[in-house]
Amino acid sequence: GENVEQHPSTLSVQEGDSAVIKCTYSDSASNYFPWYKQELGKRPQLIIDIRSNVGEKKDQRIAVTLNKTAKHFSLHITETQPEDSAVYFCAVDDRDDKIIFGKGTRLHILP
Amino acid sequence: DSGVTQTPKHLITATGQRVTLRCSPRSGDLSVYWYQQSLDQGLQFLIQYYNGEERAKGNILERFSAQQFPDLHSELNLSSLELGDSALYFCASSVSGVSTDTQYFGPGTRLTVL
Repeated sequence: GENVEQHPSTLSVQEGDSAVIKCTYSDSASNYFPWYKQELGKRPQLIIDIRSNVGEKKDQRIAVTLNKTAKHFSLHITETQPEDSAVYFCAVDDRDDKIIFGKGTRLHILP
Repeated sequence: DSGVTQTPKHLITATGQRVTLRCSPRSGDLSVYWYQQSLDQGLQFLIQYYNGEERAKGNILERFSAQQFPDLHSELNLSSLELGDSALYFCASSVSGVSTDTQYFGPGTRLTVL
């Protein structure tokens, strides 16, 4: 089945700097790659997604890039702010039409 | 607020007991998913229902079962509880249950097994 690896597990960046979180997957048939953000004590929420026919997608300070050949995709957050502190999960669709989540990255924005 | 509701918010029980977690999807959503999130763990997919029928199964233990009712609300039943079942249980819903649907998560039920 699909295997999703997410790195790093913890990331600390200075406020204003950029943060990058990377995920790799195993099944070349995967076509949909969402990212969810979970603030402390809250529910996960979709922040951006990308489909396999697109290499990059941007929404204000957040962007996602996809390399289908290498089977990896990344979340980029620019000009980080305190409210970006959260756990971020990548996810991938599998052949059974399920979404498989990575183990998450805890992002700390340092003042 | 995602529109997905879960009850109860917290549940404390003893080993060996049985509990039922309840989820109501967003209005118009036909599919419901259940996830388990343990401390410092990701979201482990348990099971998915679509319009009352089981659609996909993940790493759900045999001690756990679920169903989706005609009014589309869903219940997750956990029996013979063990200490390791302590976790946050999330329900999510989506419109049609395909993988490319956005999943909207409920606030979760925190289960503590003592």
